[in-house]
Amino acid sequence: EVQLSESGGGLVQTGGSLRLSCAASGFFFSTYAMSWVRQAPGKGLEWVSNINGRGDTTEYADSVKGRFTISRDNSRNTFHLQMNSLRVEDTAVYYCARGPAAPDNWGQGTLVTVSS
Amino acid sequence: DIQMTQSPSTLSASIGDRATITCRASQSIDSWLAWYQQKPGQAPKLLIYQASKLESGVPLRFSGSGSGTQFTLTISSLQPDDFVTYYCHQYKSSPYNFGQGTTLEI
Repeated sequence: EVQLSESGGGLVQTGGSLRLSCAASGFFFSTYAMSWVRQAPGKGLEWVSNINGRGDTTEYADSVKGRFTISRDNSRNTFHLQMNSLRVEDTAVYYCARGPAAPDNWGQGTLVTVSS
Repeated sequence: DIQMTQSPSTLSASIGDRATITCRASQSIDSWLAWYQQKPGQAPKLLIYQASKLESGVPLRFSGSGSGTQFTLTISSLQPDDFVTYYCHQYKSSPYNFGQGTTLEI
C-alpha cells in the first residue's frame, strides 16, 4: 500500500524558515517524481514544486521560486521542501503527492502558519 | 502559463441527479487533464486521469470527457457522498495549475 506522510509544519513568523518532509513507503520511490501542493485556508489547490526521480530536475511555481527548495533522499525514501523567507500568503496545508502528472497518492497534509 | 477555468463554482443538485462540471484550459492541453474530489479536511482523491480514464476503485458513475481545451466531469446519479468539492488539474506543462474548484451542494 502506498503511503505518504508529511511532517515539519508549524507556526513561524514572517521571514522565517521551515523544512517540510515527506516519508514514502509502499512503492519504488526512486522511480517516481514527487510533488508538493498547497491549499490556503478555505481556498483551492496550488501546485508548488516537483522533483524527478533522480533528484536532478526540479520545477517551482513562480510564487515560491527563489525562496523554496525541493530535494530528495532516495536512500531514505524521503523528500523535502525547504521554505525560506516565508510570507503570510504561504500559510496553507502542504500536501506531498506522488507525481506532478495527475498525482495519484497524497499525504494527509501538514499545516504551515506564517504570522506577521 | 495555462489557466484552468471551472464552471460552475457551485452546483445545486439532488440525490439521483446527473451532474456535469466543465473545465476549460486557456490553451490546448491535449488529454493531460485530471479530476479530483476533495472532502472537507481530507486530501484530494484522484478520480479521472488523461481526461477520461477512471482511476482504480472509483465508482463507475464518474466519467470524464474532452480534449484540447474543453473537458467535462459527469456524475451519472448523485449519491450523498458526492456532495463535496471537485477540481480539474492540467499536467501538460509547468506550472501544473488546478481549476478553482466546484462545490456540489444539495
